[in-house]
Amino acid sequence: ILNVEQSPQSLHVQEGDSTNFTCSFPSSNFYALHWYRWETAKSPEALFVMTLNGDEKKKGRISATLNTKEGYSYLYIKGSQPEDSATYLCAFRRSGAGSYQLTFGKGTKLSVIP
Amino acid sequence: EPEVTQTPSHQVTQMGQEVILRCVPISNHLYFYWYRQILGQKVEFLVSFYNNEISEKSEIFDDQFSVERPDGSNFTLKIRSTKLEDSAMYFCASNAASTDTQYFGPGTRLTVL
Repeated sequence: ILNVEQSPQSLHVQEGDSTNFTCSFPSSNFYALHWYRWETAKSPEALFVMTLNGDEKKKGRISATLNTKEGYSYLYIKGSQPEDSATYLCAFRRSGAGSYQLTFGKGTKLSVIP
Repeated sequence: EPEVTQTPSHQVTQMGQEVILRCVPISNHLYFYWYRQILGQKVEFLVSFYNNEISEKSEIFDDQFSVERPDGSNFTLKIRSTKLEDSAMYFCASNAASTDTQYFGPGTRLTVL
């Protein structure tokens, strides 16, 4: 059974604060690590797909890093805004022919207080 | 921007009834998926579908479940005889051959009474 864990479970920050949260995943049989942003009643929105150890990706004020050797990824949000309030999900894809399934963490629920 | 759509947004059914959840993936995508999230739990993989056949399925996807791509646009999940524990949010996703990104629909909330 693949174990993908995210911490913290929830987080409240003030508008303008920067924040980060963690996703841990198996360090063996790694293929890719996905990050999604999910607002209630909307589709989970794809943020990043990360495949290379040491990779760093950025989209506006959001960035992510990847360490496949130790099995963790950080998501950073710089200068949080109320519209960043959402649940952030990470998902692990293992290597293997024909294996496309994603194994998700439980998510980090971020609330940005104006 | 193209998006995955799902209907209905909410389905209520009686235990033992059959339900069909519908999805329209992004038009040039070739890989299709169903996931579900039981309230308070993680999103779980159910099944992946490519080239008109199931390519991978989880333990959850037993004989009560089936998928179909009846035409060039729809992708359906059928639950033959629903159980209380099938109550969940069901997500459809798709991706193109050229990318690893799976694009998700907004989900169908299934409530089994």
